[in-house]
Amino acid sequence: NAGVTQTPKFQVLKTGQSMTLQCAQDMNHEYMSWYRQDPGMGLRLIHYSVGAGITDQGEVPNGYNVSRSTTEDFPLRLLSAAPSQTSVYFCASTRGGSGGQARANEQFFGPGTRLTVL
Amino acid sequence: AQTVTQSQPEMSVQEAETVTLSCTYDTSESDYYLFWYKQPPSRQMILVIRQEAYKQQNATENRFSVNFQKAAKSFSLKISDSQLGDAAMYFCAYRSGWGGSEKLVFGKGMKLTVNP
Repeated sequence: NAGVTQTPKFQVLKTGQSMTLQCAQDMNHEYMSWYRQDPGMGLRLIHYSVGAGITDQGEVPNGYNVSRSTTEDFPLRLLSAAPSQTSVYFCASTRGGSGGQARANEQFFGPGTRLTVL
Repeated sequence: AQTVTQSQPEMSVQEAETVTLSCTYDTSESDYYLFWYKQPPSRQMILVIRQEAYKQQNATENRFSVNFQKAAKSFSLKISDSQLGDAAMYFCAYRSGWGGSEKLVFGKGMKLTVNP
């Protein structure tokens, strides 16, 4: 298994440009999410999905869109990039489920995308 | 909303010594899960250890163990026999045991340096 993959690894954008960060997993996980990591802030949840066709907002959703048309893919779209979106972005996935043990399931993280907006 | 606090931004330890990383959290829930993640310079997030709140026994994974104090809402990580490869950022994280969400709430992280 490749696990969770993200592309690109690095990206530089100009203010106002749009782009899509790709995320894919081959573990048949129901739950996928996007986090951003800023210095001194830890990881903060942007958007998440509990299954194909279902998405919801996290803690810092403004400026980002997501969709989940398949179980495997969960792209993150920046519609009009701003310098405040300069960050490292992580995609993660986990089996999910409603049982108590499912809550302890490990979240698998991708390698991250370092995005700089000038 | 739940919050996770890591009050020490940086720590250092001598190789082969023991170090304890602190984490406190705030929640009104009784069912939840706690995690420690390690992030080396490669940037990859790696799960170190997890603890179910309903379990009284502290989790252990080889050289890593936790001290889970539910009443005090404290979840510290002890690293024994520290190795150079343990140098990394360490994040404490919380996940609710309720609902259909697997969202993680992270602390701000702590940088651990291991001195040879």
